[in-house]
Amino acid sequence: SQTIHQWPATLVQPVGSPLSLECTVEGTSNPNLYWYRQAAGRGLQLLFYSVGIGQISSEVPQNLSASRPQDRQFILSSKKLLLSDSGFYLCAWSARNQETQYFGPGTRLLVL
Amino acid sequence: AQSVSQHNHHVILSEAASLELGCNYSYGGTVNLFWYVQYPGQHLQLLLKYFSGDPLVKGIKGFEAEFIKSKFSFNLRKPSVQWSDTAEYFCAVKGVDTGRRALTFGSGTRLQVQP
Repeated sequence: SQTIHQWPATLVQPVGSPLSLECTVEGTSNPNLYWYRQAAGRGLQLLFYSVGIGQISSEVPQNLSASRPQDRQFILSSKKLLLSDSGFYLCAWSARNQETQYFGPGTRLLVL
Repeated sequence: AQSVSQHNHHVILSEAASLELGCNYSYGGTVNLFWYVQYPGQHLQLLLKYFSGDPLVKGIKGFEAEFIKSKFSFNLRKPSVQWSDTAEYFCAVKGVDTGRRALTFGSGTRLQVQP
């Protein structure tokens, strides 16, 4: 069966520091991968999605970037964190040509 | 652009009460619709989905949802809630012919079931 992992689970970072959040998927090949941010009372906002290695689409302009160095690895990064980057970050995957998305456990990021 | 509205932000029910959570979307074309649930400390999980066919969809744990195209709605229902249904519920929509791959989520409804 497929599983999706995210780490770290929780992260506290100072303003201006770099960020790297990792997401990996097991048990499937060529997945579509997604990064969402969940803000309290505001639902999930799509940040990036990827349909293949090195292929990244950005949904909203922001301080973050994403990379997909391997088929089942999706990384969310920032060179300099802002206070407004605090939130709960969720990675998700879907099978090729399938609509249903499956979510990871999330990373809670607090920028101080 | 697609959007999803969940009008109930926080719902408190007693066990055995009936549940209906509202979800309305704005998109004029064909849609795929989803309800996800996030139990405390757990992953966001798929509860049920509608792609086509019977507009009354049954999901896990006794939940169902009805797609009413004329009302742009996909309300979630359960005839008798349990304490274990305490969770946050998210409605999501995807326009089939938009070319956009991502789901658009509502802001969520926090359900608290009191024993």
